[in-house]
Amino acid sequence: AQSVTQLDSHVSVSEGTPVLLRCNYSSSYSPSLFWYVQHPNKGLQLLLKYTSAATLVKGINGFEAEFKKSETSFHLTKPSAHMSDAAEYFCVLNTGFQKLVFGTGTRLLVSP
Amino acid sequence: ETGVTQTPRHLVMGMTNKKSLKCEQHLGHNAMYWYKQSAKKPLELMFVYNFKEQTENNSVPSRFSPECPNSSHLFLHLHTLQPEDSALYLCASSQMTDRAADTQYFGPGTRLTVL
Repeated sequence: AQSVTQLDSHVSVSEGTPVLLRCNYSSSYSPSLFWYVQHPNKGLQLLLKYTSAATLVKGINGFEAEFKKSETSFHLTKPSAHMSDAAEYFCVLNTGFQKLVFGTGTRLLVSP
Repeated sequence: ETGVTQTPRHLVMGMTNKKSLKCEQHLGHNAMYWYKQSAKKPLELMFVYNFKEQTENNSVPSRFSPECPNSSHLFLHLHTLQPEDSALYLCASSQMTDRAADTQYFGPGTRLTVL
């Protein structure tokens, strides 16, 4: 079965400190993985995607994620949090048949 | 207009009403999707359209009726809804070639409240 597990439902950081949002996946195939962000009352915006090229993927707004096959992980990081990063983040697995498997989301809280 | 747009952004309806949600994509894609996002639940895929043809109905109740008149427009017709249908309904589009799906791009959603 293909699945995605986001290990934290909430992450709280202070502005200017690093962000780590954790995601593990399970897939029988070579996966395509995405991180999306959703701000309140908005749709999902693509942050970055991994499709079997470089294992370190850079996205928008200073985010990046590293694909680690040995650990079946695809964690999202950012060196320095900004207040505008407060949102919900979704790790998503593309099964390749137009079906996306979504994690349950991690809410990032950023305090001044 | 750019990307994927959805109207209305908010909708309140009674259980006996009939309403429609509209989605339009300006990305030249050939596949469109409806998702339901309920509180504390993962996003649920409802319908998939490829080249205007429905290819996926994820066991959605018949009170939800999709329509795709062309590759750029997607509608979701609603009738006799239940309060548990209250949710954020998201539309997405992607380019689909050779059975491989590319990145899905999402609209801002319609917040539906059923009284």
